[in-house]
Amino acid sequence: DVKVTQSSRYLVKRTGEKVFLECVQDMDHENMFWYRQDPGLGLRLIYFSYDVKMKEKGDIPEGYSVSREKKERFSLILESASTNQTSMYLCASSQPPGQGAVYTFGSGTRLTVV
Amino acid sequence: GIQVEQSPPDLILQEGANSTLRCNFSDSVNNLQWFHQNPWGQLINLFYIPSGTKQNGRLSATTVATERYSLLYISSSQTTDSGVYFCAAPPRRGFQKLVFGTGTRLLVSP
Repeated sequence: DVKVTQSSRYLVKRTGEKVFLECVQDMDHENMFWYRQDPGLGLRLIYFSYDVKMKEKGDIPEGYSVSREKKERFSLILESASTNQTSMYLCASSQPPGQGAVYTFGSGTRLTVV
Repeated sequence: GIQVEQSPPDLILQEGANSTLRCNFSDSVNNLQWFHQNPWGQLINLFYIPSGTKQNGRLSATTVATERYSLLYISSSQTTDSGVYFCAAPPRRGFQKLVFGTGTRLLVSP
């Protein structure tokens, strides 16, 4: 069964902490994505990566960075966590269009910053 | 960029009823996907349907790309169908990221 695995289901961090959210996929997908989901705002793209060491900003990259050192792993980093980053974070992967661009999501990480 | 609108925003059904969810998009797309988010937050891909009709059990989807809409049909609904249904499309043709609609929240009661 193909999977996208997010390292934590629930996470509580303090304001100012550096936070790492990890995502691993076992489907050899080229593309990986980080979204956040907030009530009333839907899913918004933070960053995505279409190859190892390649990244592009999404719609709301401020306060976040990412790392993709290996094809299967895509990390989201909150450099200095703030309360307005309390949210549900969703990782996804896909192949490029033309190779079957179906998204597969992880189960999400619900982050609370106190 | 593309605008993705879904209707209705909320839907309450009795178990066994049928329903149709609609997704309108503002520009031509070549990658339209439907997702179901269960009450625990897991998003499951239901259909990749840039055009035409597909069926998977009690669910089916139709995309009319020339008229810029897609429909998701749920027949004989079950309580496990409850959750939020999203459609999503790339902001421009060939782009690999998806823009999500605001979703239709479905509650199926026994």
